[in-house]
Amino acid sequence: GNSVTQMEGPVTLSEEAFLTINCTYTATGYPSLFWYVQYPGEGLQLLLKATKADDKGSNKGFEATYRKETTSFHLEKGSVQVSDSAVYFCALSDQGYSTLTFGKGTMLLVSP
Amino acid sequence: ETGVTQSPTHLIKTRGQQVTLRCSSQSGHNTVSWYQQALGQGPQFIFQYYREEENGRGNFPPRFSGLQFPNYSSELNVNALELDDSALYLCASSLETGGSYNEQFFGPGTRLTVL
Repeated sequence: GNSVTQMEGPVTLSEEAFLTINCTYTATGYPSLFWYVQYPGEGLQLLLKATKADDKGSNKGFEATYRKETTSFHLEKGSVQVSDSAVYFCALSDQGYSTLTFGKGTMLLVSP
Repeated sequence: ETGVTQSPTHLIKTRGQQVTLRCSSQSGHNTVSWYQQALGQGPQFIFQYYREEENGRGNFPPRFSGLQFPNYSSELNVNALELDDSALYLCASSLETGGSYNEQFFGPGTRLTVL
């Protein structure tokens, strides 16, 4: 079956530090890959996505590249802000089937 | 455009009781998916409804059931509640057009506590 593995948190950074959150996946076929963000007390928001190998998703300074050879989709940001503090979820969807398989989430805490 | 809404926000029940959670999909969407998010875990897919029919189900027992109405809103029903059912229940709506993935838009969730 499908699965997503993320690095465990919390990840604690100072403002303007570089962020990497690792994500690897197992899936049959060619899934679409996503990063979702969950701010305290809120639902999930789509942060970025990539639908095929070598695609790069980007949004709000965050980037992730779909690496089929390493089955990875690591999230990066060059300079984090306090407002980026949230829980980040990596997820995949099988092609043609619009449901999501999520990782366990990684909490990011950014201090001033 | 109205986003996905869920009710109630919070709910406390006791073991053995039954609960109904509600979701209004985003305007123009025809599909609703439900997810269970236990504390400290990622959301897990419960089931999906498309045009009032169940269109896929995750690894959840039959006491988890659902409905979708002609206006595409949806209910999640859980019978014989167990302590492990305590979780945040998320509803997501999408416009399914067939073929590739269609983005799901999530509601804020209902926090269910089973005592």
